[in-house]
Amino acid sequence: GAGVSQTPSNKVTEKGKYVELRCDPISGHTALYWYRQSLGQGPEFLIYFQGTGAADDSGLPNDRFFAVRPEGSVSTLKIQRTERGDSAVYLCASSSLTGVGGELFFGEGSRLTVL
Amino acid sequence: SQQGEEDPQALSIQEGENATMNCSYKTSINNLQWYRQNSGRGLVHLILIRSNEREKHSGRLRVTLDTSKKSSSLLITASRAADTASYFCATPLGGGSYIPTFGRGTSLIVHP
Repeated sequence: GAGVSQTPSNKVTEKGKYVELRCDPISGHTALYWYRQSLGQGPEFLIYFQGTGAADDSGLPNDRFFAVRPEGSVSTLKIQRTERGDSAVYLCASSSLTGVGGELFFGEGSRLTVL
Repeated sequence: SQQGEEDPQALSIQEGENATMNCSYKTSINNLQWYRQNSGRGLVHLILIRSNEREKHSGRLRVTLDTSKKSSSLLITASRAADTASYFCATPLGGGSYIPTFGRGTSLIVHP
């Protein structure tokens, strides 16, 4: 597709379960970002990939959160032992520019609900 | 952490009126971006203004940047009901990082 694709669009899980959220960026975009957005708030930075490597993971809230991008394209955000406070919309964005803070192209997000 | 904060948090106007939103930030930046988000959707990039620019236009949008005051404004002229959305400014994280960080946004409602 032409845009950033995120799956699933909605995920309902029980507390303590493991969740994976997938992001397929725009083809050729080397920069990939994950953000988390709670209701009424702006997107909160989680992690930034440049190619295959996590260039900045300072936004990950704790070690239950992990993300990979093994081939420099698709990325997966993994959340272990989910908690109710993890409920939010997880947004992925990609960019063709790196190091200069260029325009981000966002997906529609994955809404995670932890019961 | 977030750098930018939008003001007001909410804005309600009639169609045809102008809407002005402001963004204040804390540390030096090389650029500032504005994004729009319709309810339940992802963010869409509107405009990027660099630190050496004072004003930029795109259609009905006008963005200004005052680096001495560490503030920016987004003006939407002749608003339409379809402009109803949340608007966010994004500034680099700082400390050598260019990662865009977002404020809480301004929720704009344009009444037809």
